[in-house]
Amino acid sequence: NAGVTQTPKFRVLKTGQSMTLLCAQDMNHEYMYWYRQDPGMGLRLIHYSVGEGTTAKGEVPDGYNVSRLKKQNFLLGLESAAPSQTSVYFCASKEYNQPQHFGDGTRLSIL
Amino acid sequence: GQQVMQIPQYQHVQEGEDFTTYCNSSTTLSNIQWYKQRPGGHPVFLIQLVKSGEVKKQKRLTFQFGEAKKNSSLHITATQTTDVGTYFCAGTGTTSGTYKYIFGTGTRLKVLA
Repeated sequence: NAGVTQTPKFRVLKTGQSMTLLCAQDMNHEYMYWYRQDPGMGLRLIHYSVGEGTTAKGEVPDGYNVSRLKKQNFLLGLESAAPSQTSVYFCASKEYNQPQHFGDGTRLSIL
Repeated sequence: GQQVMQIPQYQHVQEGEDFTTYCNSSTTLSNIQWYKQRPGGHPVFLIQLVKSGEVKKQKRLTFQFGEAKKNSSLHITATQTTDVGTYFCAGTGTTSGTYKYIFGTGTRLKVLA
């Protein structure tokens, strides 16, 4: 099993460009999450999903959109990238009352 | 909204010394999880605490959940170089459901050989 797979692993964008980060899990988990990690800030929840077709806002949702059209995939979109969105993005999935399984992360730089 | 603070932010110890990190929530937690992240890696689950006053041990690691379920601690006895990394707590509130976790700011541990 691959677990949680994030693509791409690295990306450099220019301000104003758009892109989509893909998270795929093969564990049939109901819950999926997108976090961003900045130095000294820990992990901050951007958006999450409690099942296929559902999404909800986390702590820092502004500037991001998400979709969960298929249970195994959770997409994070940046419509108009800003330098403040330079970060490491982690996706995670879990089942009820179980620990979160994290992907390897996407390192995103916005110039 | 719910906030989870961790102290200290950094800790440097000599190999063999003990280490403790503390996690404090602004609200009562339903449960708390602890994760370890190695440099350049992703968070890896260590343990989950659910009951008030719960204490769990994993070899040299001891985890505690406070009586009021608003704080927790992780203690490592006789640190080793393999303990290097950042330790995060993650709590879920009693009103936010058990699926939405707020992470603490983390404690970065450096072990000097």
